[in-house]
Amino acid sequence: DAGVIQSPRHEVTEMGQEVTLRCKPISGHDYLFWYRQTMMRGLELLIYFNNNVPIDDSGMPEDRFSAKMPNASFSTLKIQPSEPRDSAVYFCASSSRGVGNTIYFGEGSWLTVV
Amino acid sequence: SQQGEEDPQALSIQEGENATMNCSYKTSINNLQWYRQNSGRGLVHLILIRSNEREKHSGRLRVTLDTSKKSSSLLITASRAADTASYFCATEPNSGNTPLVFGKGTRLSVIA
Repeated sequence: DAGVIQSPRHEVTEMGQEVTLRCKPISGHDYLFWYRQTMMRGLELLIYFNNNVPIDDSGMPEDRFSAKMPNASFSTLKIQPSEPRDSAVYFCASSSRGVGNTIYFGEGSWLTVV
Repeated sequence: SQQGEEDPQALSIQEGENATMNCSYKTSINNLQWYRQNSGRGLVHLILIRSNEREKHSGRLRVTLDTSKKSSSLLITASRAADTASYFCATEPNSGNTPLVFGKGTRLSVIA
């Protein structure tokens, strides 16, 4: 299997611009997670989906952040407008057989907002 | 909020030595997992230990779990330079359908 695929791997954007991060989970996995990793806060869960339905978005920092999963093989995390404090690594991950089971991470999207 | 807290935050050892990392958590759990993250990469699952298990082995990895102390340890024996990475513990709380909660990790440096 190809694993969890994220794009872009790196993005540098100007403050105020819209950022869209994309994720293709592992085929057959019914849970999809979006995490954000920074030195200060570590790994934070932003939102997760089960069977394409958002279950818990309490980790989404602000209304500027939104996530969608239109089908089982694709999800997006959008930041609009972006701010410098959004600079982080954003990971998508997927799993099967329960929300607390082994999670498979993508390689991350490294976002820098200047 | 993070439930798992790894200790130490950073560890530097010589190749061939054993590396021990600890994780403490706050609430009752269903399982505890350890993940590894190489620099610039995603996290990779290493091992899972269930709440009714006390010890588990996988290759050079040994994980222990003490639910009475709410703590776990990860031992890497005969370390290699390639083991240099950050190691995270993650817990699945048993308070319903709750996702894994990750700690901030231990940065391990193995010097050749």
